[in-house]
Amino acid sequence: GAVVSQHPSRVICKSGTSVKIECRSLDFQATTMFWYRQFPKKSLMLMATSNEGSKATYEQGVEKDKFLINHASLTLSTLTVTSAHPEDSSFYICSARRSYEQFFGPGTRLTVL
Amino acid sequence: GENVEQHPSTLSVQEGDSAVIKCTYSDSASNYFPWYKQELGKRPQLIIDIRSNVGEKKDQRIAVTLNKTAKHFSLHITETQPEDSAVYFCAASYDKFYFGSGTKLNVKP
Repeated sequence: GAVVSQHPSRVICKSGTSVKIECRSLDFQATTMFWYRQFPKKSLMLMATSNEGSKATYEQGVEKDKFLINHASLTLSTLTVTSAHPEDSSFYICSARRSYEQFFGPGTRLTVL
Repeated sequence: GENVEQHPSTLSVQEGDSAVIKCTYSDSASNYFPWYKQELGKRPQLIIDIRSNVGEKKDQRIAVTLNKTAKHFSLHITETQPEDSAVYFCAASYDKFYFGSGTKLNVKP
C-alpha cells in the first residue's frame, strides 16, 4: 500500500508562535499533496494543494500568508501555521496523491493556548 | 468549484439492517468518487471507490452506485454490524478532492 506519515501528531503552543507540520510519503513519490483542516464533528475542508517545485494553490478564504506551504521534494510537504491564535486550533490532515487516489496522513491536533 | 452534498447527517439502524448514504455533486468534470470511514481522532480510511466509467461496484457487504447523468452516488452497507458505527464521508474528485459533510452511522446491537 501507500504510507503517509505526519509529524507531530499533537502540538500545543502559545498564541503568537509558529508551528510546522510535516507530511511525508514513505513508499512513493508524490508530486501533489493536499492539506485539510477538520473541526470537531465536521467534514474535511480542503485548505490548499501542495505541488512539488512550485507554489501551493490555496482554496478560497484560506490565508496563504497565515498557512505557509512548502513542497521541496517529492516526498515531503510542510505546513507552517504562522503567528498561531486559538482559532487556529484544529485537526490538520495531509494527504498525498498517487494516480487518481489520495492517501492520508494520521493528522496533527493543534491546540493554541 | 465542486459542491458535494451528503445525506443523511445521522443514521441509526439495527444490527443486520442495511444502511444507505447518498451524495450529490455539482461539477460534471469530477470522475472519481471515494467513500471514507473515519473513527474519532483518526485519519479517513478508504472503504470503496468508483470511477466515472462504472455504474456500480461491490466489495462484500459494501457497494457504491453512480449516476453520472443525475450527478449522484450512493453507499450501500448490507448486514450492518456494530463495528460499522463511524462517520462516513463521500468525496468527488477531478484534480482535487471535495468532501461531503459526513454521516454518523450508529448500528445498534
